[in-house]
Amino acid sequence: SYELTQPPSVSVSPGQTARITCSGDALPRQFAYWYQQKPGQAPILVIYKDSERPSGIPERFSGSSSGTTVTLTISGVQAEDEADYYCQSADSSDTYRVFGTGTKVTVL
Amino acid sequence: VQLVESGGGVVQPGRSLRLACAASAFTFSSYGMHWVRQAPGKGLEWVAVISYDGSNKKYADSVKGRFTISRDDSKNTLYLQMNSLRVEDTALYFCAKLSSGTNPGDYWGQGTLVTVSS
Repeated sequence: SYELTQPPSVSVSPGQTARITCSGDALPRQFAYWYQQKPGQAPILVIYKDSERPSGIPERFSGSSSGTTVTLTISGVQAEDEADYYCQSADSSDTYRVFGTGTKVTVL
Repeated sequence: VQLVESGGGVVQPGRSLRLACAASAFTFSSYGMHWVRQAPGKGLEWVAVISYDGSNKKYADSVKGRFTISRDDSKNTLYLQMNSLRVEDTALYFCAKLSSGTNPGDYWGQGTLVTVSS
């Protein structure tokens, strides 16, 4: 079955830049979406269609794509950005969705 | 937009449960809808999708043949019939309208907890 691979954890100091990668074979052909999830809450979409930012999401969140890897970048990290982050995409035939393994972002 | 799940609870292995998701304040009948689950302390797992008109349904391999997704547009409600439940199906189940290339809106409920235990 199709898998999206993320690093388990990323640690960053306040004001610095956090980069979270997500790798999958179908990513050159399928859009990627990024979610932020805090404990006890439903996920919130922070990036859609690889690099688009929904209204209400701070400009410090950005997305990019290169080949089989997509990247979520959080510039000028704030304490409130500490959360789990998941990428999400579809398989190559657009049959089903899959979530990445998840990355815990810790703000030091 | 509001999505409210219900129907979770404690059930023995092998038994069945039906989850419901009531939608309001958006055009439910225009969109495909998903179920996503999250086991305690684990990541998100996509479970199933149903097309806007109910004609197309897809499932994760882990639930295929045991779970059935359906919708009743007259009631703005999404369902997940879960049969032959296993301990590993224990999770918080979310219904969601996920963002897509043509429809960027993304909405989630707060989830309903299913616990499979003897």
